[in-house]
Amino acid sequence: DAKTTQPNSMESNEEEPVHLPCNHSTISGTDYIHWYRQLPSQGPEYVIHGLTSNVNNRMASLAIAEDRKSSTLILHRATLRDAAVYYCILRDGASGTYKYIFGTGTRLKVLA
Amino acid sequence: NAGVTQTPKFQVLKTGQSMTLQCAQDMNHEYMSWYRQDPGMGLRLIHYSVGAGITDQGEVPNGYNVSRSTTEDFPLRLLSAAPSQTSVYFCASSPTGGLGSGNTIYFGEGSWLTVV
Repeated sequence: DAKTTQPNSMESNEEEPVHLPCNHSTISGTDYIHWYRQLPSQGPEYVIHGLTSNVNNRMASLAIAEDRKSSTLILHRATLRDAAVYYCILRDGASGTYKYIFGTGTRLKVLA
Repeated sequence: NAGVTQTPKFQVLKTGQSMTLQCAQDMNHEYMSWYRQDPGMGLRLIHYSVGAGITDQGEVPNGYNVSRSTTEDFPLRLLSAAPSQTSVYFCASSPTGGLGSGNTIYFGEGSWLTVV
């Protein structure tokens, strides 16, 4: 089964960049890497996803290692509103299965 | 668009009671799933469905039943509520292929369930 490993928590100062790591050494060749975040008392929301190349959108950037065994979510300038739990997600199991396992995520604390 | 709609938002049950959490989506998504989230914990997959008439178990299926008679609806049934099922429940949906094909998952706002 494809599993992800993330640090339990991280801290950042406001307006500084944040790099959130994720290890996924058992990723299969066609699995996409997705990042979601969960603000307090809300359901998770989509942040970014990628397959092989680095990706940018208005919320964040995703840097994917060449061997795809790890990735890093980059928030370029953290704000207080970015305080949330960030989840790195892969499809669980072999191709054709749909068990999307969230794991425990990284709780990001942003300091004013 | 309403997106993913869950009802009820809050519910208190007595031990042994049964109930159904409703989930509906209006995006014509084939993939739907239910997660539970205990206080301070991550989300755990209960059941999922890849289309009408097809369901499968997730990480923590015991004590829950699901069915998928239509594309739009995916209700979660608690057969005999136990205090250990006190949690926040999230329903989610995604286009065909789910995350494995790059599609994103859309979540409902959650249903807070307390079993006393």
